[in-house]
Amino acid sequence: DAGVIQSPRHEVTEMGQEVTLRCKPISGHNSLFWYRQTMMRGLELLIYFNNNVPIDDSGMPEDRFSAKMPNASFSTLKIQPSEPRDSAVYFCASSLSGLENDQPQHFGDGTRLSIL
Amino acid sequence: AQKVTQAQTEISVVEKEDVTLDCVYETRDTTYYLFWYKQPPSGELVFLIRRNSFDEQNEISGRYSWNFQKSTSSFNFTITASQVVDSAVYFCALSERRRGSTNAGKSTFGDGTTLTVKP
Repeated sequence: DAGVIQSPRHEVTEMGQEVTLRCKPISGHNSLFWYRQTMMRGLELLIYFNNNVPIDDSGMPEDRFSAKMPNASFSTLKIQPSEPRDSAVYFCASSLSGLENDQPQHFGDGTRLSIL
Repeated sequence: AQKVTQAQTEISVVEKEDVTLDCVYETRDTTYYLFWYKQPPSGELVFLIRRNSFDEQNEISGRYSWNFQKSTSSFNFTITASQVVDSAVYFCALSERRRGSTNAGKSTFGDGTTLTVKP
């Protein structure tokens, strides 16, 4: 079975440009998470969706960040305009959330983002 | 509020040594789930194991073992006879009983412990 698929794997762009990160969750999973990982801050939860609906976006750093999940098989994280401090590895994860929260999250390989 | 503490930021051992990674959690729920994930140098996070709050049996999988103790709110991970391939960042995570959509699938992660195994 295919895992969580993220694209692109690497992105290098100049400050001020718009960046769009993409994620395809595992088929059948109903919860999707976006994380950011840096050396300084570790693994941070940015936003998560359940059944395509954003549940908690309190981790989104500022208005420059936005995320959408138009359907069960696709999500995007957009940064506009990008800044050098946004440089990080961005992970998407999905899980099957049933009556209990007993299922692990499955992570994509991440997108390594560098803003020059 | 739930919290996961991995007090050991970095651990360095020599190959074949045993090493224990500590995880202490806080939760008010009586039903909860604990997880360990591994992040090798290649970067991906991989799920290792899950325990639920009503099953305190320790688990062993090859060189890996997990010690869950509710009395001390700990879920420690031991690697026996460590190998260089065990070098990674290890994350402990907690998820509480589901409350509708507000926490569906959500886990709280510790800050991770970086394990370096030297040859």
